[in-house]
Amino acid sequence: DTGVSQDPRHKITKRGQNVTFRCDPISEHNRLYWYRQTLGQGPEFLTYFQNEAQLEKSRLLSDRFSAERPKGSFSTLEIQRTEQGDSAMYLCASSLDGQVQETQYFGPGTRLLVL
Amino acid sequence: GNSVTQMEGPVTLSEEAFLTINCTYTATGYPSLFWYVQYPGEGLQLLLKATKADDKGSNKGFEATYRKETTSFHLEKGSVQVSDSAVYFCALSRAGGFKTIFGAGTRLFVKA
Repeated sequence: DTGVSQDPRHKITKRGQNVTFRCDPISEHNRLYWYRQTLGQGPEFLTYFQNEAQLEKSRLLSDRFSAERPKGSFSTLEIQRTEQGDSAMYLCASSLDGQVQETQYFGPGTRLLVL
Repeated sequence: GNSVTQMEGPVTLSEEAFLTINCTYTATGYPSLFWYVQYPGEGLQLLLKATKADDKGSNKGFEATYRKETTSFHLEKGSVQVSDSAVYFCALSRAGGFKTIFGAGTRLFVKA
C-alpha cells in the first residue's frame, strides 16, 4: 500500500491557461474524491467517483472544471481558463465502500498558483 | 445542512501542557466523526475517528469522545510535544456517505 499519490505537487501558471492534475488512489479503493483547500480553511468537497462513474459534483465546481476517472483507477482534474481565484491546494482522497467505518485517505495535494 | 465548527487558533502551549481543541457539529442522522492532522508541508492524515455515540477514538496519545447529547467531539491530549505542532481539522461524514465536511482547522504551536 503506497498511499494516495498526486502529481504534480506544485503548479504555477498564468491566468487563462489550462492545467491538469492527476491522482492515483490506493489500489483497491473504488471511491475517489477531489477537494479544494484555500489558505486558512478546511478542505471543501468538489466531486466524487464510484469506480468510473462521477456521482456527485459540488456547486463549487464551475463549468471550467472537469474531472474524469476513465478506467476506475487514476483520476484527472482539469481547470480551463484558470483564474487567480483558482489558486488553492487540490486534494485527492480515496476509500473503499462497503466498510462499516469507511475512511477517506488523502494524498499530499497539488498546490496551484495562478499569476 | 451538515457543518463543523471548531475553536479558532492559533493555540500556543508549552511542552507537556494539556491540550483541548473544541469541535461541535450539526448533522442529520448519525454521522461518523474524525480528527485529521496536517503537519507543515504535508498532506492530511487521519488522527482518530468515532462512528457512534459514546465511542472514544484514540491515537498517539490523542483522544476524542463522540457526544451526541452535546453534538461535540473535542480533541484532548494530556501532554503535548513540540512534534505535535500542526493544524488539526475536525470533520464528519454521513453514515455510508460520500463526502467529508471539515471545520476550518486549528493551528497548534508547542514551545519547548
